[in-house]
Amino acid sequence: EIVLTQSPATLSLSPGERATLSCRASQSVRTFLAWYQQKPGQAPRLLIYDASNRATGIPARFSGSGSETDFTLTISSLEPEDFAIYYCQQRSDWPRAFGPGTKVDFK
Amino acid sequence: QVQLVQSGAEVKKPGASVKVSCKASGYIFTDYVIHWVRQAPGQRPEWMGWINAANGNTKYSEKFQGRVTITLDTSATTAYMELSSLRSEDTAVYYCARDLVPISRGWTSDWFDPWGQGTLVTVSS
Repeated sequence: EIVLTQSPATLSLSPGERATLSCRASQSVRTFLAWYQQKPGQAPRLLIYDASNRATGIPARFSGSGSETDFTLTISSLEPEDFAIYYCQQRSDWPRAFGPGTKVDFK
Repeated sequence: QVQLVQSGAEVKKPGASVKVSCKASGYIFTDYVIHWVRQAPGQRPEWMGWINAANGNTKYSEKFQGRVTITLDTSATTAYMELSSLRSEDTAVYYCARDLVPISRGWTSDWFDPWGQGTLVTVSS
């Protein structure tokens, strides 16, 4: 079973700053990794799939990179609506699994 | 627009079963797989299984095998998830989500987009 870890657990930033979130897999997932955003009381929303493809309607300030075991989600310039929890998810192995999340909050 | 609308919150006693519905609209229902994902309070999401809306085939996470059943009513464009032998640890928000790619591609992406609004299931004596 592939285990995903995310760092940092919390990222405290201000609007306009750059956010860099990390997801590490316990074994290679090739590029079978996605990122989701979740705001309080809402369902998760798909941001990035296959490591670097933006989902429909996702702003260009969100970008994903990486392969094998190390992945990064970058938000180039934080907007107020970007403060949320971000989860990575793999589809390389069963069961499909999510990481523990990174909370991006206001500094 | 694509929408998944779920049934309302449920309160169940330990040992009971719960059945949550997911009504799809805005696309051809039989063109996509529907997944079920749950999220316990303060925890990460957890994938439970999927159903192929074209043929009813299912795949379940081993963790839930034997306790979860996912079904369809294609005439009502609705998917259902039933979880039995409930225990307190099953208290969670249960979500349905559509697969990102259509079944015609020949494979499931296992990326979840979009999601339903969620259904809170509380298990308490």
